[in-house]
Amino acid sequence: DTGVSQDPRHKITKRGQNVTFRCDPISEHNRLYWYRQTLGQGPEFLTYFQNEAQLEKSRLLSDRFSAERPKGSFSTLEIQRTEQGDSAMYLCASSLGSLNEQFFGPGTRLTVL
Amino acid sequence: GENVEQHPSTLSVQEGDSAVIKCTYSDSASNYFPWYKQELGKGPQLIIDIRSNVGEKKDQRIAVTLNKTAKHFSLHITETQPEDSAVYFCAASTGGYQKVTFGTGTKLQVIP
Repeated sequence: DTGVSQDPRHKITKRGQNVTFRCDPISEHNRLYWYRQTLGQGPEFLTYFQNEAQLEKSRLLSDRFSAERPKGSFSTLEIQRTEQGDSAMYLCASSLGSLNEQFFGPGTRLTVL
Repeated sequence: GENVEQHPSTLSVQEGDSAVIKCTYSDSASNYFPWYKQELGKGPQLIIDIRSNVGEKKDQRIAVTLNKTAKHFSLHITETQPEDSAVYFCAASTGGYQKVTFGTGTKLQVIP
């Protein structure tokens, strides 16, 4: 257990529905990252927060995706109008300051039917 | 952007043998190279990392080497044990906000 938690661990939804995932980072970590991992691939960067500010978004993050970190603590990732191609593991990671080490949570596995 | 290539994609070794995983990167500005181990149903876990001002780093049975000129870095696991079986990812980062680019992974199987 790295100290990063994600909820839910699994989510099955029908195409077109909206889903929201939550990430709770290690409490003192000011940086929070979202990644997406498909089967047989490495994690791909989606977006990054420093405190409550979203500082970088990947081109992978289409308009249907939105992420927030309202108080600089937990973060949510919402996917609107889900598509089958959104099926993946969504990973959250956190880090402290300028240290590069990122601690990953267990991930949320999304299946879109 | 950064591109990280990793090979082999699968690796089977006998318990007690050594395992070597190799990666290359494309962005000469990359300065931080972590290695992650991912077990089934879990997120990646950092096992060792190396920075660009260091050529080699060792931690018990695990060692990493970095050749900045050739843009190569490698993971060496000695005296492998069945619990080393997992998927291993190399990665590269250019610092700053630490956007990390991962390789495609190596599935290591240690045969008892």
